[in-house]
Amino acid sequence: AQSVSQHNHHVILSEAASLELGCNYSYGGTVNLFWYVQYPGQHLQLLLKYFSGDPLVKGIKGFEAEFIKSKFSFNLRKPSVQWSDTAEYFCAVMRNTGGFKTIFGAGTRLFVKA
Amino acid sequence: DTEVTQTPKHLVMGMTNKKSLKCEQHMGHRAMYWYKQKAKKPPELMFVYSYEKLSINESVPSRFSPECPNSSLLNLHLHALQPEDSALYLCASSLSHAQGINYGYTFGSGTRLTVV
Repeated sequence: AQSVSQHNHHVILSEAASLELGCNYSYGGTVNLFWYVQYPGQHLQLLLKYFSGDPLVKGIKGFEAEFIKSKFSFNLRKPSVQWSDTAEYFCAVMRNTGGFKTIFGAGTRLFVKA
Repeated sequence: DTEVTQTPKHLVMGMTNKKSLKCEQHMGHRAMYWYKQKAKKPPELMFVYSYEKLSINESVPSRFSPECPNSSLLNLHLHALQPEDSALYLCASSLSHAQGINYGYTFGSGTRLTVV
């Protein structure tokens, strides 16, 4: 089945550790790719997006993601996490499947220890 | 104004009730969306409106009826819901849904619906 897969459901890191959250999708053809973040008690917010061009995308709060077409991946990275990065992170993919639809991955809960 | 405002924030309704969820944005976005999110699950697409016209209905039961009265407002009318419909209902908007270019969503805080 076509899907968006986030490999890690829960991640625990200490402050200053590096972060990489995996995201793979199984759709062929042209896609738009996104990472959203949901801080505790807050609504979903867009972190970054990829449409075309440079496969390395920089977003807010020091996050970046790299689109690797051959691997159908769009992993999220941050060199040094902070306690305030504790949140749930969702990868999302938009493609044309009976209309342009954005499908979300299951999410990764990140907890950063102070 | 860079927000999507959803009302009410919480709603408890019986299975025979009729209620409506409201969503409003004043960012000039021409695409609006309803998503449903169950606990510890990702948001699931329900409806897409593009330029006030229903563009996508993800086979949602007819007890959910969307309405887009103008470019700033999106409603979701609820009737004869089931307990399994209890969830967080999220509204989102984006600049445009046309031509497959999604500029990213701005989400509202959601309406937490409980059907009793």
